[in-house]
Amino acid sequence: EAGVAQSPRYKIIEKRQSVAFWCNPISGHATLYWYQQILGQGPKLLIQFQNNGVVDDSQLPKDRFSAERLKGVDSTLKIQPAKLEDSAVYLCASTRFLGQGTDTQYFGPGTRLTVL
Amino acid sequence: GQNIDQPTEMTATEGAIVQINCTYQTSGFNGLFWYQQHAGEAPTFLSYNVLDGLEEKGRFSSFLSRSKGYSYLLLKELQMKDSASYLCAVAFTGGGNKLTFGTGTQLKVEL
Repeated sequence: EAGVAQSPRYKIIEKRQSVAFWCNPISGHATLYWYQQILGQGPKLLIQFQNNGVVDDSQLPKDRFSAERLKGVDSTLKIQPAKLEDSAVYLCASTRFLGQGTDTQYFGPGTRLTVL
Repeated sequence: GQNIDQPTEMTATEGAIVQINCTYQTSGFNGLFWYQQHAGEAPTFLSYNVLDGLEEKGRFSSFLSRSKGYSYLLLKELQMKDSASYLCAVAFTGGGNKLTFGTGTQLKVEL
């Protein structure tokens, strides 16, 4: 079974520029998560999708971050405009989860973003 | 917010046993995960506890006490490749399978 795929693996941009990250979850996984992991910290959830609907985006800075999962499979996370404090690793994870209960999240390799 | 507390750093010797602790608030608890994360890599799943007791999986074991809001990850026969960050993550009811992560414990295994 193929794992969670993410691209690009690395990105360097200047502040105020825009950037987009792509994620393809494990086949058949209904739920997809985007996390931000700042160096030395644990991952922080940005947004959770179930199929193509948003379950939780309470910690997404909506003035500059946006995400979509239009067909309920792959997803894109965008930052526009980027700030220095957005420098982090952006992790995508997925689970089969369709209802209540707790399911194991499987992570992709992440995209390391550096904002100069 | 729901705080997950774990030590920032630990050092242990190759071949030894190390215990990494994690504490969390008990209200709404719905399961606890341990992940391993090597530098520059994605977190990988190690264990899941939702009932009290010990779950053993090879050299790694994880323990949970729901009443105390406490878990630990036990690593036996340490190897150099076990040097990594160990993340404790908790699911709370009403969170829709959302996880809250601790900051991670950076384990260094020395000769």
